[in-house]
Amino acid sequence: QVQLQESGPGLVKPSQTLSLTCAVSGGSITSGGSFWSWVRQPTGKGLEWIGRVYTSGNTKYNPSLKGRLFMSVDTSKNHFSLQLHSVTAADTAVYFCARVSLNYQGNTFDIWGQGIQVTVSS
Amino acid sequence: SYALTQPSAVSVAPGQTASITCGGNNVGSKSVHWYQQKPGQAPVLVINFNIGRPSGIPERFSGSNSGITATLTISRVEAGDEADYYCQVWDNTSDHPVFGGGTKLTVL
Repeated sequence: QVQLQESGPGLVKPSQTLSLTCAVSGGSITSGGSFWSWVRQPTGKGLEWIGRVYTSGNTKYNPSLKGRLFMSVDTSKNHFSLQLHSVTAADTAVYFCARVSLNYQGNTFDIWGQGIQVTVSS
Repeated sequence: SYALTQPSAVSVAPGQTASITCGGNNVGSKSVHWYQQKPGQAPVLVINFNIGRPSGIPERFSGSNSGITATLTISRVEAGDEADYYCQVWDNTSDHPVFGGGTKLTVL
């Protein structure tokens, strides 16, 4: 059973870089039929897709975050990462990593990490 | 860009049936997935591809999708079903997911 676990600092200062890692256990990050994604949720609000990364390194980002965002995969460590630059208070949220299973009928977020609260504050 | 619309809140008495809608332009032509999120927890996939039930999801959860509305139906509602529910599709034009705004289900 594949499991995901986010890690990283819970507090980031404004204008700095938010860096998170998602460890994949119970399976290989290179197993086919899926890619890896990040979703965030400000307190009391809905889900916002951040972006996704294939094990090839190919990425696609939410246009609203493009220019500040970088996602990568480290297959040797079986994890993937997120870097969000120049953060502001608006980036304060719970950040979830998730596996997206691919299907020609439509992709699903079938496995989620437990989430990590990140607060942007001086 | 594609958008999905959900009611902000739905209330139902225990033992009754709850219906949560998800509206979108020609959503019936897309695969809709539903997630349940309880306070302080990650979302859990409860319905995939409009009508599918992932392993471990009770038969009380069902889905439908036609025209401009997809619906999540929860039969014989229990107190433990109280949660936020989100619908989601994959927008092939932009190649990224779209989530509905979420519906808070309250069990009276």
